Amino acid sequence: KNQVEQSPQSLIILEGKNCTLQCNYTVSPFSNLRWYKQDTGRGPVSLTIMTFSENTKSNGRYTATLDADTKQSSLHITASQLSDSASYICVVIQTGANNLFFGTGTRLTVIP
Amino acid sequence: NAGVTQTPKFRILKIGQSMTLQCAQDMNHNYMYWYRQDPGMGLKLIYYSVGAGITDKGEVPNGYNVSRSTTEDFPLRLELAAPSQTSVYFCASSYGTSGEASYEQYFGPGTRLTVT
Repeated sequence: KNQVEQSPQSLIILEGKNCTLQCNYTVSPFSNLRWYKQDTGRGPVSLTIMTFSENTKSNGRYTATLDADTKQSSLHITASQLSDSASYICVVIQTGANNLFFGTGTRLTVIP
Repeated sequence: NAGVTQTPKFRILKIGQSMTLQCAQDMNHNYMYWYRQDPGMGLKLIYYSVGAGITDKGEVPNGYNVSRSTTEDFPLRLELAAPSQTSVYFCASSYGTSGEASYEQYFGPGTRLTVT
């Protein structure tokens, strides 16, 4: 069964600290993996898109890694800011498909 | 560009009523999608369209209908609303298939629907 699991479910960190969010998936055949940021009451916004051959990709303070062999990805946030408070969603897409498999997200809260 | 717009933002329906959720995009995207997001759950695909006049079912299509008469618009119709359809609905669009990493999906702000 195609699944995407994220951990932790929620996380609270102090402003300025780093954190890492995890994503494990069983989706096959694999095309690409995406991390989205979803602010409360808003639609998801893309942070990174990674293909099988890419093992790291950065977008400002966000760095995603991908290990396609173990089917794991992580999103590392550096020097967190209050505006980073949001849900972070891992999405895995099958080759040639239009169906996206969404994780349930990690709810990150950054406190002053 | 306004991107992907959705109306209404909020709606309360009584059981058995019908309504249409509107979605429009001004990016000339071929692909459009409807998702629902239930509390604590991942987004699930309801329907998608690869171009005007072409639609296909996603993972959870029961109780919904769609049409795509123009490139810009992709309305979602709920017939005989049920409490199980209480959810937040997101419309999204992309230039090409998400099966290709070069095509990013852009999401609308969502419609929060409550059926009582």
